[in-house]
Amino acid sequence: EADIYQTPRYLVIGTGKKITLECSQTMGHDKMYWYQQDPGMELHLIHYSYGVNSTEKGDLSSESTVSRIRTEHFPLTLESARPSHTSQYLCASSERTRVDGYTFGSGTRLTVV
Amino acid sequence: AQSVTQLGSHVSVSEGALVLLRCNYSSSVPPYLFWYVQYPNQGLQLLLKYTSAATLVKGINGFEAEFKKSETSFHLTKPSAHMSDAAEYFCAVSGTGNQFYFGTGTSLTVIP
Repeated sequence: EADIYQTPRYLVIGTGKKITLECSQTMGHDKMYWYQQDPGMELHLIHYSYGVNSTEKGDLSSESTVSRIRTEHFPLTLESARPSHTSQYLCASSERTRVDGYTFGSGTRLTVV
Repeated sequence: AQSVTQLGSHVSVSEGALVLLRCNYSSSVPPYLFWYVQYPNQGLQLLLKYTSAATLVKGINGFEAEFKKSETSFHLTKPSAHMSDAAEYFCAVSGTGNQFYFGTGTSLTVIP
C-alpha cells in the first residue's frame, strides 16, 4: 500500500544533540514537504523539495537542514537541538499538488529538554 | 497572496447535532480548497477538496462543503455529529506554486 512514513513518532532528547527525523514515501511523488506544527497555530512550511537534489527553505525560518538524495527519502536534521525546537514535525508529499493535495505522514513529536 | 481564516478555534456540538466549521479564504487566483482532519497524535488526512468542478463537495465520513465564491467561503458541514468526529480540522488553500496555506485549525468536541 502506498504511504508515507515518519520515524520516530516520539523523540525526547537533550539540548545540543544532533537529530535526524526520517521521512519516506512509497508513492513515487516528486514533491515533498516538511511542516512544523504548534498548538493553535497554522502549519508552517519549513522545507520543500520538488525532486532529487532540489531543496528549498520555506516560509518559516528554521535551523534545520534537509537533503533529497533519493526520490522516496527526505530526512530533516537538526545539528544541535534546543528547547525552542520542541514541536511536531509533519512530512508530506504530493504529485499534482493543486489538484490532489498532500499526503501526510503521522508526524514526529520532538521534545528537547 | 493566499490565506485562510478559520473562525472559531474550538467548536462543541452534541452528538447527533449539526456540525458547522467555518473557513474563509483569500486568493489572487481561482482557488483550490481542501479540508483536512487530524486525530490525536496523527498526521493530517484529506476529508474533501474543491477543484473548480461542483461547488458542493462530498467527502469521507459524511462531511461536505460548499464553495461560495461571492462569500469567499468553504464551510464544512455534517448533518449529525458522531463521537468519532472529535478531532482538529484544517482548511487549506493552494497557492500559485506547489504549496498550501493552512488555517490555524478548529478543534471539534462532540458531547455525548
